[in-house]
Amino acid sequence: DQQVKQNSPSLSVQEGRISILNCDYTNSMFDYFLWYKKYPAEGPTFLISISSIKDKNEDGRFTVFLNKSAKHLSLHIVPSQPGDSAVYFCAASASAMEYGNKLVFGAGTILRVKS
Amino acid sequence: KAGVTQTPRYLIKTRGQQVTLSCSPISGHRSVSWYQQTPGQGLQFLFEYFSETQRNKGNFPGRFSGRQFSNSRSEMNVSTLELGDSALYLCASSLGNRAVNEKLFFGSGTQLSVL
Repeated sequence: DQQVKQNSPSLSVQEGRISILNCDYTNSMFDYFLWYKKYPAEGPTFLISISSIKDKNEDGRFTVFLNKSAKHLSLHIVPSQPGDSAVYFCAASASAMEYGNKLVFGAGTILRVKS
Repeated sequence: KAGVTQTPRYLIKTRGQQVTLSCSPISGHRSVSWYQQTPGQGLQFLFEYFSETQRNKGNFPGRFSGRQFSNSRSEMNVSTLELGDSALYLCASSLGNRAVNEKLFFGSGTQLSVL
């Protein structure tokens, strides 16, 4: 069963506009959420994270919003730049001991920023 | 500080063979996790090692195994390769502190093709 879902396989945005990537989860045990960015032939690199005690975290052009009641999070990139074109993965983890350091990933969203 | 190093970058094997992948974590990191990435499937958790012990395991058959050495380096082995094992295998490291939420640092991966 897919506990973390990214329902949009791809997204195309004009340079300078906002990119919004969405992610839904089903497991109520998840209390830490991360976004990773991946270029072809490279490993995923950490972008931004949010703890379940917050509903927003901002880092430069990147903001993550968490809606616990809806089990939904989103990543906003403003303004979008061509270098942001990559695959974006949403991931979640739970601090319960049996989960350890395991991250559960979504299938990814391909973001294309057109210049 | 050197990042997570995975070798080899590319591998071509035939069905029935076995393969060993290697991962050197970031210095000081004691947890090493392995993930499989296939197109459209996101990253699937294989297992996590900490202090030479498997601490967590995903839902993969017994053909997938791993180990960790005293210097925290890890190897992953896949026996009796099947066509469906063709994937990008990613290694990630972290301090391994279960008391806090941790982000994982990924290597560039090993692209395995099974013919």
